[in-house]
Amino acid sequence: DAGVIQSPRHEVTEMGQEVTLRCKPISGHNSLFWYRQTMMRGLELLIYFNNNVPIDDSGMPEDRFSAKMPNASFSTLKIQPSEPRDSAVYFCASSKGPSVLTDTQYFGPGTRLTVL
Amino acid sequence: LAKTTQPISMDSYEGQEVNITCSHNNIATNDYITWYQQFPSQGPRFIIQGYKTKVTNEVASLFIPADRKSSTLSLPRVSLSDTAVYYCLVTTVLDYGGATNKLIFGTGTLLAVQP
Repeated sequence: DAGVIQSPRHEVTEMGQEVTLRCKPISGHNSLFWYRQTMMRGLELLIYFNNNVPIDDSGMPEDRFSAKMPNASFSTLKIQPSEPRDSAVYFCASSKGPSVLTDTQYFGPGTRLTVL
Repeated sequence: LAKTTQPISMDSYEGQEVNITCSHNNIATNDYITWYQQFPSQGPRFIIQGYKTKVTNEVASLFIPADRKSSTLSLPRVSLSDTAVYYCLVTTVLDYGGATNKLIFGTGTLLAVQP
């Protein structure tokens, strides 16, 4: 089992540029989550999908952030335009069942984003 | 929504039992408590989950008192490889269909195990 795959692992960009983070969930998993982790704010849930449908995006910080899941095996998180305060580690996670409440989430290795 | 509070850090020695307590005073009836472990440069990894009383698996135990306002993760006989950040997670159901939930991670506890 390959686990959750994220790319790129590291991204350095300049303020104002568009950034796209990618995630491939574990095959057969129905829910996908995007998190952001910083020293100041800890681990925050940004958005999650169930069966490719966005269920809750209330954690998305602002309109510069958008996420899509065009199919069961791929999701993107886009930041446009990026700002230095977006610098963080972004994690993708997936879970097997529809219950966010009780289904174990499996996290990817994360993408470390640095916006200069 | 239930907010969690954990100690920022804890120290221990190899072979000792470690207990990490998480406070969640506003926990709701249908909330579950889940603990995750995170090593540097890796994503969090599930450890254990419970609703009430005691849950035990091959790596840890979770103790939840009757009022459920706190929970304690117990790691028996820790080793150096248990040095990590431990997160307490309260999952709040906003509708019973499970379609809308809020995931709230605690601040995390950095456990440092020394030889």
